[in-house]
Amino acid sequence: QSALTQPASVSGSPGQSITIFCTGTNSDVGRYDFVSWLQQHPGKAPKLIIYDVTYRPSGVSHRFSGSKSGNTASLIISGLQAEDEADYYCCSYTRSGPTYVFGTGTTVTVL
Amino acid sequence: EVQVVQSGAEVKKPGESLKISCQSSGYSFSTSWIGWVRQLPGQGLEWMGIIHLRDSLTYYRPSFQGQVTISADRSISTAYLHWDSLQASDTAIYFCATAMDGNFYWDYWGQGTLLTVSS
Repeated sequence: QSALTQPASVSGSPGQSITIFCTGTNSDVGRYDFVSWLQQHPGKAPKLIIYDVTYRPSGVSHRFSGSKSGNTASLIISGLQAEDEADYYCCSYTRSGPTYVFGTGTTVTVL
Repeated sequence: EVQVVQSGAEVKKPGESLKISCQSSGYSFSTSWIGWVRQLPGQGLEWMGIIHLRDSLTYYRPSFQGQVTISADRSISTAYLHWDSLQASDTAIYFCATAMDGNFYWDYWGQGTLLTVSS
């Protein structure tokens, strides 16, 4: 089970939109619509912000949205704010196990 | 309100054993999965394994099979992660998370347990 591939870092100015890509295989991201995204601030537990590719849990800002095409899922953060500075991880169900696999993680910096 | 509470930080020596816990409340624990996640210092998240609270069906990530044991006590809504013999390389933060039956996402997370293994 190899980790899903994410860029190490993405940055943007306040108010801009950024996209984080998460690339897997046809055994995980490409096979199932069970991709979720987690946000982790330093020293804190991860927080679910997107599930089943496109759905937001109650209380999560509408500035976060998700999509998927083939073996690649995407997290879009629009109207970037200082509080969005954090690490972001994608997670997919995988037929290997069966269990789950995380992405390598992306650090978002607000310039 | 759902709460997932983990046991406190531990400092252990190599070769010692340890069991850490993850207790849930306000959740239909008996129809849910509990997952354990490792985060090495300054690194990303890694799935270790998952257990179902109704029947203790357990799946391990291959690299953790035989290295740890995941168990659960449904009567007290608690899952456990156990090591027989700790190594310095086990130093990490360990998180637990919950997923309801039929869901494929982990919506409630514990606060994490910091484990330090040092001689």
